[in-house]
Amino acid sequence: EAGVVQSPRYKIIEKKQPVAFWCNPISGHNTLYWYLQNLGQGPELLIRYENEEAVDDSQLPKDRFSAERLKGVDSTLKIQPAELGDSAVYLCASSPGQPTGELFFGEGSRLTVL
Amino acid sequence: DQQVKQNSPSLSVQEGRISILNCDYTNSMFDYFLWYKKYPAEGPTFLISISSIKDKNEDGRFTVFLNKSAKHLSLHIVPSQPGDSAVYFCAARDSGNTPLVFGKGTRLSVIA
Repeated sequence: EAGVVQSPRYKIIEKKQPVAFWCNPISGHNTLYWYLQNLGQGPELLIRYENEEAVDDSQLPKDRFSAERLKGVDSTLKIQPAELGDSAVYLCASSPGQPTGELFFGEGSRLTVL
Repeated sequence: DQQVKQNSPSLSVQEGRISILNCDYTNSMFDYFLWYKKYPAEGPTFLISISSIKDKNEDGRFTVFLNKSAKHLSLHIVPSQPGDSAVYFCAARDSGNTPLVFGKGTRLSVIA
């Protein structure tokens, strides 16, 4: 069974440029998460989708970040414009839902903003 | 305010000995706890979990202990192997439909 697939793995951009990350979750997983991981920190939730509905986006900086999950499968996370402080790893995860809540993570997309 | 705390950023252990990684939490509503393991340039992978109705869960070399009164859990790895060298994240959630909350991680180095 294929795992969570993310692309690109690495992205280097200059500040104020836009960037987008793509995630394909495990087949059949209705719940999709985007997490942000800064160096030396644990993953922090940005947004959670149940199918195509964003059910928790309270931590998403909506002035520059946006996300979508069309048709309840793939998801895209966009940053426009990027700032130096956005340099981090963006992790996508999926889960089949309750009861265990175990998440399956992708390899992450490492963003460097110059 | 950090709800899940891993106060040791790093730990170094001799191969064959026991590794003990600790985690404290502040939210008394948490009732399910997980440990994730992360190698460099990879995403975290699930290792072991424990429900609040238990105080111990064992899976091969890995055992997680939960002390609800102290709001503390620990991961024991016996015997430690060089391949266990990674960052270990403690995570917790409550019984509602809420996402996992992660600690900052502990970097384990197992020395041959």
